[in-house]
Amino acid sequence: NAGVTQTPKFQVLKTGQSMTLQCAQDMNHNSMYWYRQDPGMGLRLIYYSASEGTTDKGEVPNGYNVSRLNKREFSLRLESAAPSQTSVYFCASSEHPGQGGETQYFGPGTRLLVL
Amino acid sequence: GNSVTQMEGPVTLSEEAFLTINCTYTATGYPSLFWYVQYPGEGLQLLLKATKADDKGSNKGFEATYRKETTSFHLEKGSVQVSDSAVYFCALSDWYFGSGTKLNVKP
Repeated sequence: NAGVTQTPKFQVLKTGQSMTLQCAQDMNHNSMYWYRQDPGMGLRLIYYSASEGTTDKGEVPNGYNVSRLNKREFSLRLESAAPSQTSVYFCASSEHPGQGGETQYFGPGTRLLVL
Repeated sequence: GNSVTQMEGPVTLSEEAFLTINCTYTATGYPSLFWYVQYPGEGLQLLLKATKADDKGSNKGFEATYRKETTSFHLEKGSVQVSDSAVYFCALSDWYFGSGTKLNVKP
């Protein structure tokens, strides 16, 4: 039982390049989330998917797109990377959305550097 | 709107010292409250949670009480260990996180 896995672990991009961050969970969770973590700012929600087939914007969605490919996988795409997107990206999952009391399970993170 | 405020770090303590990390929140309704811990190079993992007022969450010697009257959920531990060195995040359901407090425990 791997939990939440993310690839790649580390990536360097040039401004304007595109890339997709992959996330998968094997806990049969309904909900999945993408966060970015910046120094002094904690975690900020980029997008979430309450259930398979649905996605919604979080606090900081600009410059990102997501795809909930199936129940297990939730990818985050940067179409044209900018230096402001340099961050650590975390994927998380939970059994249900918005129920209160739901624990989120986090992946190990992807460290992205945009030059 | 919803928000979480926690004390800035880093917090540096000697082993066996008492730990308090303050957390206050703003929320509508009756949220659940969480403490997550992040060890170096890893993702966050749940430390403890409380789902209603006056509940106390506890785990690994850490505890926090959901105080609705003061909108607080302060994290405490009676005797910290070097292995507790990490970043601690207070969070509010469903996805509102504080900025994190780094704890350094010295032998």
